[in-house]
This record gives sequence, structure tokens and C-alpha cells, in this order.
Amino acid sequence: EADIYQTPRYLVIGTGKKITLECSQTMGHDKMYWYQQDPGMELHLIHYSYGVNSTEKGDLSSESTVSRIRTEHFPLTLESARPSHTSQYLCASSPRGATTTNEKLFFGSGTQLSVL
Amino acid sequence: SQQGEEDPQALSIQEGENATMNCSYKTSINNLQWYRQNSGRGLVHLILIRSNEREKHSGRLRVTLDTSKKSSSLLITASRAADTASYFCATGVKYIFGTGTRLKVLA
Repeated sequence: EADIYQTPRYLVIGTGKKITLECSQTMGHDKMYWYQQDPGMELHLIHYSYGVNSTEKGDLSSESTVSRIRTEHFPLTLESARPSHTSQYLCASSPRGATTTNEKLFFGSGTQLSVL
Repeated sequence: SQQGEEDPQALSIQEGENATMNCSYKTSINNLQWYRQNSGRGLVHLILIRSNEREKHSGRLRVTLDTSKKSSSLLITASRAADTASYFCATGVKYIFGTGTRLKVLA
């Protein structure tokens, strides 16, 4: 089983609050990803990182930000949550492969965020 | 826009039957991966097929890849109720996922 952990599992907060979704992996993977997924819908890549101090925005524009200060940790922050941010957020990691290929992804269990 | 599109969007079958789902993608690939997602959970990797492979097996799973048609299919044989989940294909170095097929296996 994958050793990648997301906390909290569920989060219900009010509009305007600052939140941080935690994601940690113990596999020493260089690559980490954040996806956003609405119920029954596709996954959208919102952020990714290929290593420490390296972060990039994904294909879906997001008001969230990420940081990668340590290899194992890739938190996602929303400075001011809004109802439109209500969604499931999935964190994933993969080992380093060649730049033109990809290895399999390991996913956390996700954080279901509800902004009232 | 998303790289992959799965077809059908939803599929309901009886236990013991085979389930086939398809994935189409838009650009050239090095490999294509299939994942399963149980309701409200993270995804689990099922199988990876490289661009120079045409078919691959893993237990009850059979994956085919046709790079000329930019399509792949996932066959689950002798389905079980526990196979009920959403199935996604993913391609590209940034792991772009398709829209998924929701499979329901009735006991």
C-alpha cells in the first residue's frame, strides 16, 4: 500500500478562512501533485512539484498555493476560502523517472473540503 | 482540455460478466496508465502499458493500446461486486486523467 497521507480527511469551514491541506509521503518520491475533483467528475491537475523548492501550476487555474520545503511534504494553502473551493483535493506522488516518461502515481485518500 | 476521454461514462453489469471500457487521448504518448477509484477515495494504479506494447495482462485485467487510433481499452473479466468503482486512464508526464467510467457490478 502507498505511504502517502492527507489530513484532514474532511474539512468544513466558513467563507474567508485560511486553510492548509496537508500531504506527506514516506517513499522518498521527488514528484508530487495536487488534483481537484468534483463528485463523479474528472481529476484536474492544479499544482505539481518535481523536487524541493520546485513548484508549478497545473492545467486548471487555482487560487491555492503550494510549497515544497521538504521532499516528503507538499502542503496546499487557500488564503481565503470561498464556496467555489468546495471539492475533493487529492495528493499524489511518484518516483523520479526520465523527463519524457512517467512512473505510476501513488494517491492519498483525499481531503473533502466544504466551504459554507 | 483534458487529455483522455473514457467511454462509456457509466456501465452496469451482472457479477461474472466482462466489463470493457475505452479511453481515447489526443497527443503522442510514452505510456498509458489505468487507475481505479472507489467512491470518495484516492486512486489506485492498476496497470501501465508502454507505447511499444499492444496488449498487457494483469490477473483479470487486459489492456490494449492502439497508438494509430490513439485509444486504449481495459477489459475486466469475470467481474465481481468489489470491482464497482470508477476507472480512469492517464497519460503524459503530468498525468492528465480522462473523464472516467463508472462501473457498477450487481451481485
